[in-house]
Amino acid sequence: GAGVSQSPRYKVAKRGQDVALRCDPISGHVSLFWYQQALGQGPEFLTYFQNEAQLDKSGLPSDRFFAERPEGSVSTLKIQRTQQEDSAVYLCASSLERTLFFGEGSRLTVL
Amino acid sequence: GDSVTQMEGPVTLSEEAFLTINCTYTATGYPSLFWYVQYPGEGLQLLLKATKADDKGSNKGFEATYRKETTSFHLEKGSVQVSDSAVYFCALTGNQFYFGTGTSLTVIP
Repeated sequence: GAGVSQSPRYKVAKRGQDVALRCDPISGHVSLFWYQQALGQGPEFLTYFQNEAQLDKSGLPSDRFFAERPEGSVSTLKIQRTQQEDSAVYLCASSLERTLFFGEGSRLTVL
Repeated sequence: GDSVTQMEGPVTLSEEAFLTINCTYTATGYPSLFWYVQYPGEGLQLLLKATKADDKGSNKGFEATYRKETTSFHLEKGSVQVSDSAVYFCALTGNQFYFGTGTSLTVIP
C-alpha cells in the first residue's frame, strides 16, 4: 500500500482481556518497528523486525507483550491480560534508508 | 547511550512569528537526525532530515542544520501559520531510533 496501515485505530478493552494490534507496512520495507506512545510523551521503542526475524525486543515492557511477523510483511502486536498501564497509542513504522514511516497508530484504552 | 533532548513546551506563537525549537543530541558514531511532526489524532510524519554534519534539511518552510560541533539540530521557521500547530519530535538514528519527548506548538491567529 501507499503508507503504513494499522488496525484497529481505536480499541477499548476490559482489564484482563487480550488484544491484538495489526500493522501492514509499506510494500518492500524490510524493517518494521513497534513503539508505545503515552499521552504527552514521545514514542518509546518496543521491538524491531528485519523481515520475519525479531532482532530486538528489549523494549517490550513485560512478558505479556508479544510481537510477530511470520511472513516478513504484516506484523501483529499482542498484549495478554491487559492492564490499565497498557493504555497508550501503539505506533508501527516501517523503514527505508534509515528513515521511519509511521502509521496512524492504534489507541488502546484499558478500563 | 544515544539520546535526544529537546526544548520543553508548550510553545504559543502568533501567526507569522519566528519559530525555533531547540534539539541537542548525544550519540556515538555518525547518526542521522530527523524532525517529525504529529498532528492531533494522527501518527508521526517525517518533516525533514539530515544525514551528515553541516547538512541542512528543509520542508514546508521549516529548516534544521546538523551541527556536529554543538551537537544540535534546531528546528526553525521564519513565519508560522495556524496550520503548523502540532507536536514536533526531534529524533536520531544510532543503533536504534531515539525520540525526544516532543514540543507542542500552538499558533494563534
